[in-house]
Amino acid sequence: EDQVTQSPEALRLQEGESSSLNCSYTVSGLRGLFWYRQDPGKGPEFLFTLYSAGEEKEKERLKATLTKKESFLHITAPKPEDSATYLCAVQGLGGYQKVTFGTGTKLQVIP
Amino acid sequence: DADVTQTPRNRITKTGKRIMLECSQTKGHDRMYWYRQDPGLGLRLIYYSFDVKDINKGEISDGYSVSRQAQAKFSLSLESAIPNQTALYFCATSGGTSGNTIYFGEGSWLTVV
Repeated sequence: EDQVTQSPEALRLQEGESSSLNCSYTVSGLRGLFWYRQDPGKGPEFLFTLYSAGEEKEKERLKATLTKKESFLHITAPKPEDSATYLCAVQGLGGYQKVTFGTGTKLQVIP
Repeated sequence: DADVTQTPRNRITKTGKRIMLECSQTKGHDRMYWYRQDPGLGLRLIYYSFDVKDINKGEISDGYSVSRQAQAKFSLSLESAIPNQTALYFCATSGGTSGNTIYFGEGSWLTVV
C-alpha cells in the first residue's frame, strides 16, 4: 500500500528564516509526486509535480526536489503570506492511478 | 470564477436527512473525484469517475453515492446523514493537458447534528 509521511507536522519560522519540509513516501512505482498549498477552509492549490529522482522545480520562494524515497520543499526567505499547510501526494503506477495524500505540514511565518 | 465550483459551500443538516453536494467544472477534464478531509487524517477518496459512464468506489464510499450527470458535473449524496460524516468535502478534477495533476474546488463544509 502506498504511504506518504510528512514532517514536521508544524513549523514556525521567523520571516526570512529558510527551511525545508520533508515528504517520505513508499509507492509501487512512482507516476508522480505532487505538492499543494492549502489555506484554512480552502481547497488545496497545486504547486508542483515531480516525476523522477533528481528532478527539481521552483516557484518564487519555493523549490521542490525529489529522490527515490523522499521529496523536500525548500522555502527560501519566507514571508508571512507563505503561512499555510503544505500537502504532499504520490501517484503510483498500479490500480486506478490512486493518489495518496500526506497529512501535511502546517507552516507559520512570523513577521 | 473558479474552475471547479462546489455548492453549497456550507450546510448544516440533521441526522437521517438526505443531502446532495454538487460540483461543476469548466476545465474540460474527463476525470472527477470526491474527497473528504478530516483533521489528522488527510484527504481520503470517496468516489471517482474517469468518464460519464465510469464510476468507481474509493477508500471510504460507505454511506455515500454519486452521480455523473455530464462530463462537467459530478454530485455526491449522503442518503442518510450521520454525525461522523461531518467534514470538509472537496470535488476535484484531472485530465486533458493537465495530465494526472488533480485540481480541487473550494470545498463544502458539512455539519451533521
